[in-house]
Amino acid sequence: NAGVTQTPKFQVLKTGQSMTLQCAQDMNHNSMYWYRQDPGMGLRLIYYSASEGTTDKGEVPNGYNVSRLNKREFSLRLESAAPSQTSVYFCAAMTGTTQETQYFGPGTRLLVL
Amino acid sequence: EDQVTQSPEALRLQEGESSSLNCSYTVSGLRGLFWYRQDPGKGPEFLFTLYSAGEEKEKERLKATLTKKESFLHITAPKPEDSATYLCASGGAGSYQLTFGKGTKLSVIP
Repeated sequence: NAGVTQTPKFQVLKTGQSMTLQCAQDMNHNSMYWYRQDPGMGLRLIYYSASEGTTDKGEVPNGYNVSRLNKREFSLRLESAAPSQTSVYFCAAMTGTTQETQYFGPGTRLLVL
Repeated sequence: EDQVTQSPEALRLQEGESSSLNCSYTVSGLRGLFWYRQDPGKGPEFLFTLYSAGEEKEKERLKATLTKKESFLHITAPKPEDSATYLCASGGAGSYQLTFGKGTKLSVIP
């Protein structure tokens, strides 16, 4: 039982390149989330998926797209990377039960040059 | 707009010196108040969820409490392994989103 997994762990891109960050969960949770974490800014929500087949914008969606491929997988795509997207990206999954526990993955560190 | 403010930004304690971290929140209808621990280079690790004023939860040396405007994370007789950044987040009624504070970086000195 791995919980929430993210790939890759670290990536360096040049400005204008594209890439997809992958996230998978084996906990059968309904809701999945993508956050970015920057020094002094805390965790900010990019996109989320309340259930399979639905996605919604969070606080900072510009420059990103997402796909909820199935109940397990939720990917984040950068179509044309910019230096401002240098950050640590975290995926999370939430139970949706009364306990409302949210589990985070280990993160992807992205550097855009 | 939901807001979460954590204080202090950083806290240095001697081993065994008890203290509290503060989380002030404003939210339209609280669904839950969440505490996480984050170690350097890792993802946040879930600690507690509090749902209503007066509720308390404990785990080892940590105790979380909740009022209508604030939550406190009390650390009793901390050890160096308690050193981490502690994050607070609020969830509003009818929303799947959480609003996070910027965290308190705790350092426990042997």
